[in-house]
Amino acid sequence: DAGVIQSPRHEVTEMGQEVTLRCKPISGHNSLFWYRQTMMRGLELLIYFNNNVPIDDSGMPEDRFSAKMPNASFSTLKIQPSEPRDSAVYFCASSLAVGLVGLANIQYFGAGTRLSVL
Amino acid sequence: GDSVTQMEGPVTLSEEAFLTINCTYTATGYPSLFWYVQYPGEGLQLLLKATKADDKGSNKGFEATYRKETTSFHLEKGSVQVSDSAVYFCALQLTGGGNKLTFGTGTQLKVEL
Repeated sequence: DAGVIQSPRHEVTEMGQEVTLRCKPISGHNSLFWYRQTMMRGLELLIYFNNNVPIDDSGMPEDRFSAKMPNASFSTLKIQPSEPRDSAVYFCASSLAVGLVGLANIQYFGAGTRLSVL
Repeated sequence: GDSVTQMEGPVTLSEEAFLTINCTYTATGYPSLFWYVQYPGEGLQLLLKATKADDKGSNKGFEATYRKETTSFHLEKGSVQVSDSAVYFCALQLTGGGNKLTFGTGTQLKVEL
């Protein structure tokens, strides 16, 4: 398997522009996670989906951020309008939820998208 | 709430030195515990895991033992290499909490010749 695929790897945009980050999870996985990583705040969970349904979006910083998962093989994270403080590395991860006590559900991470908002 | 506390970095060691990175956790249930590693410019990848008390996870010479009595999961390696330089994240996952991971803040390790 190719692993979790994120695109683009790098994105440079100007303040006020719309940014769309894309993620293709590992085939067969039923959970998908979006994280943001910065030096100041570390690794933050933004939102996660189970079976394409958003379960917890409490980490989404504000209404400018939205995430969708239209099918099991694709998800997007959109920022509109973008601001310089959104500059960060955004990671997508996927997992297979086994749901059995004593089993650990391993998350597999993509390589990330480095976003710079000027 | 559930949380993970890691020792502050950076940790700087000479090659072949012994490594310990401390990790303690607070959880309402009986979590699974993980160490993830992030090499420069890459995403996180699983290093090792343990699912119940007294379990020892191991991989690539790294080990960690799930200590319920001290709520700890310290990462150790007997002899580090320059190639081990990375950021190490401790994390917990609650049984029945879906797949959500709670991460520590990460500890940067620098290994010098």
